[in-house]
Amino acid sequence: QPALTQPASVSGSPGQSITISCTGTSSDVGSYNLVSWYQHHPGKAPKLIIYEVTKRPSGVPNRFSGSKSGNTASLTISGLQAEDEADYYCCSYAGSTFFVIFGGGTKLTVL
Amino acid sequence: QLQLQESGPRLVKPSETLSLTCTVSGGSISRDNYYWGWIRQPPGKGLEWIGTIYYSGKTYYSTSLKSRLTMSVDTSKNQFSLNLRSVTAADTAVYYCVRHRGSVGMVTTLNWFDPWGQGTLVTVSS
Repeated sequence: QPALTQPASVSGSPGQSITISCTGTSSDVGSYNLVSWYQHHPGKAPKLIIYEVTKRPSGVPNRFSGSKSGNTASLTISGLQAEDEADYYCCSYAGSTFFVIFGGGTKLTVL
Repeated sequence: QLQLQESGPRLVKPSETLSLTCTVSGGSISRDNYYWGWIRQPPGKGLEWIGTIYYSGKTYYSTSLKSRLTMSVDTSKNQFSLNLRSVTAADTAVYYCVRHRGSVGMVTTLNWFDPWGQGTLVTVSS
């Protein structure tokens, strides 16, 4: 099962913006607008924060935004807050052989 | 509000079968275009998709687990289940059950996961 590539860690100060990249291939991220992002605080269930590349579920602040260019999707968090410190995972549909693949996760530290 | 709850043994011996059930409450498991899945997270590692099932019984499995995996659904109980055979210590993980949005038609595509169960730690050890 292949995996998407994310940076292991990113950091930012309160109020700043950060971007987390998620790189796949033309067989997954590049072929489908079916990228989702999950926020995971340790000990809790992961939470859907972006789906279909750019859409936000109800209740997710508009500080969270998603985009895609070619084989790379990105999650941007603007106006960083202390509670944003968490692990973030991207996920993509990968066709009829592999179906679903995750990124390795990115640990966000709010300085 | 839809809720999912995992249940099953927390300790499994090596070479035996890991069995978990997810009970869905607050909505029907038989809703069109919604699938049901399992995701796990080994200690200190990332999320790994295990597999997904539709209420019709159609299954989609991770290629890395396919040879050991069976998923089933019981619409009368609003439950779905996971059986993972011949487990080793590498199967120790927090197991989450999830609702998995997808599309049904000539071409099936699988989309986002929401909501998630609270997760259950299953340890493989003798």
